[in-house]
Amino acid sequence: GNSVTQMEGPVTLSEEAFLTINCTYTATGYPSLFWYVQYPGEGLQLLLKATKADDKGSNKGFEATYRKETTSFHLEKGSVQVSDSAVYFCALGGGSNYKLTFGKGTLLTVNP
Amino acid sequence: GAVVSQHPSRVICKSGTSVKIECRSLDFQATTMFWYRQFPKKSLMLMATSNEGSKATYEQGVEKDKFLINHASLTLSTLTVTSAHPEDSSFYICSAREGGQGVNNQPQHFGDGTRLSIL
Repeated sequence: GNSVTQMEGPVTLSEEAFLTINCTYTATGYPSLFWYVQYPGEGLQLLLKATKADDKGSNKGFEATYRKETTSFHLEKGSVQVSDSAVYFCALGGGSNYKLTFGKGTLLTVNP
Repeated sequence: GAVVSQHPSRVICKSGTSVKIECRSLDFQATTMFWYRQFPKKSLMLMATSNEGSKATYEQGVEKDKFLINHASLTLSTLTVTSAHPEDSSFYICSAREGGQGVNNQPQHFGDGTRLSIL
């Protein structure tokens, strides 16, 4: 079946540092890949997505590239801000009814 | 962008009470909605897939009679936790996917979640 493995963290960075959160997946067929962000006490917000190999999703300075050869979708940001502190979930969409399979989430804390 | 409203945001009630949680897509039609449960510092666990006008599809290990799902319209799904007990306390999150059945590659949009606490 489908599965997602992501860096568990927690990750603590200083403001303006470079961020990478690793995500790899196992899937049959041609899934779509997503990164969601969850701020404290809230639901999930879609951060970015990629629907096919070599696609790059980007939003708010974050980006991730769908790498089929390495089955990866690592999240990166060149300069993080305190407001980026949240839990980040990598997810894979596919199969019947297009269910989402989530990674375990990575808590990011950015200090001023 | 697509907005999903979930209500209530927090519920505290006594053991044995039934609790209804609503999930509404405000600016799009959602043939399919999903209900998740999230334990502290854990990922989301899919409980069931709710399809408008048909019975929900439950994941393995989720009690159908305990967690009743109704998807009566293209913009509303409800989850009722029947005879709730302390072990049902959790953060419940719904999501709605844009488009009709067969349109499977649209992202899911999530509600803000409901914090359920059973005393």
